[in-house]
Amino acid sequence: EPEVTQTPSHQVTQMGQEVILRCVPISNHLYFYWYRQILGQKVEFLVSFYNNEISEKSEIFDDQFSVERPDGSNFTLKIRSTKLEDSAMYFCASGTDSSPNTGELFFGEGSRLTVL
Amino acid sequence: AQKVTQAQTEISVVEKEDVTLDCVYETRDTTYYLFWYKQPPSGELVFLIRRNSFDEQNEISGRYSWNFQKSTSSFNFTITASQVVDSAVYFCALNDYKLSFGAGTTVTVRA
Repeated sequence: EPEVTQTPSHQVTQMGQEVILRCVPISNHLYFYWYRQILGQKVEFLVSFYNNEISEKSEIFDDQFSVERPDGSNFTLKIRSTKLEDSAMYFCASGTDSSPNTGELFFGEGSRLTVL
Repeated sequence: AQKVTQAQTEISVVEKEDVTLDCVYETRDTTYYLFWYKQPPSGELVFLIRRNSFDEQNEISGRYSWNFQKSTSSFNFTITASQVVDSAVYFCALNDYKLSFGAGTTVTVRA
């Protein structure tokens, strides 16, 4: 069964460093998402991406964050200069053309980021 | 704006007891979808069920059942005869063009 894969599963970084989290969505999906979950808190929407551009972003997704689909298969989230409060689990998700209406998303297993 | 409220922060039960998780939502849309996800200690999000706003038929699937009441904007979830493996955080979520999650309810099932 196709699945969304994320790497790394866990990354530890120093404050101020750049981090890139990678995701390989399901191959025929068109919509891509990043969600964040700070430890013990709810899962929060960060950004959605469609047709090679951001379709929606939350207020969390400030200038420190960026997303891209560099090669047609990977979908990356870059945090330019990490802060302590960026420590969280980051979930990638992908969806079909009906996903914006139905909410049916396929989530990866998450990448845990620890900023020291 | 949309909002999902899970008023129960934690529930602890003994194995074989039933567990009901409450979810109340707010939306101005007439068409929307509701979800329950499970997050076990390993951290991944496991999809459990999706319901659209036009389908108020409640359902039972194995030990899981759902009670969707549009009149009260509630979408409650019950685990019957709970097992230790059901211990997890359960999230209710609402979609109106993007998925928004509630704060989650931590369920602990003791042997």
